[in-house]
Amino acid sequence: GIQVEQSPPDLILQEGANSTLRCNFSDSVNNLQWFHQNPWGQLINLFYIPSGTKQNGRLSATTVATERYSLLYISSSQTTDSGVYFCASSQGGSEKLVFGKGMKLTVNP
Amino acid sequence: NAGVTQTPKFRVLKTGQSMTLLCAQDMNHEYMYWYRQDPGMGLRLIHYSVGEGTTAKGEVPDGYNVSRLKKQNFLLGLESAAPSQTSVYFCASSFTGKETQYFGPGTRLLVL
Repeated sequence: GIQVEQSPPDLILQEGANSTLRCNFSDSVNNLQWFHQNPWGQLINLFYIPSGTKQNGRLSATTVATERYSLLYISSSQTTDSGVYFCASSQGGSEKLVFGKGMKLTVNP
Repeated sequence: NAGVTQTPKFRVLKTGQSMTLLCAQDMNHEYMYWYRQDPGMGLRLIHYSVGEGTTAKGEVPDGYNVSRLKKQNFLLGLESAAPSQTSVYFCASSFTGKETQYFGPGTRLLVL
């Protein structure tokens, strides 16, 4: 099955800094999604982005399906951005999402 | 709308006991999923359902059973709990299999 690799595994930022999170996939992808898990454990869907670029406030995401990667950009980070970010995708016609192991972001005031 | 809800929030079991986790969604979604989250492992799919009356195996189905008797509910059962099933369990739902998944708040299960 598809393998999902996230980098970096951990990141510590000062409030106001920008960051880029990367997700690499071992095979062609579809159904690509980015999630944020806050420190209380709640999982929130950030983007459904099988291809192209989307923006939502300070967050944006780009998926280049032909090169099998996706990027999540966080601009002007805030302490509320802290938590774990997951990317996930399925392969071919499958509905089954495979998750990366996550990237822990800590934003200090 | 409550979205996706899970019952209970936390449970402690002894090895060999059984229990059922309930997931409910009020968004009229066809697809529902059960995942488990373990430290350093991300989320792994246990079972899923593509509609009322259907179930299918995910990545780690052993030791679990599921039922989808009503469209809005998806039940996860542990017939004989084992310490390896200590985890946080998340339910999710989506309109189709290729759309945004919405997650419940999770159930923390400890098996002693």
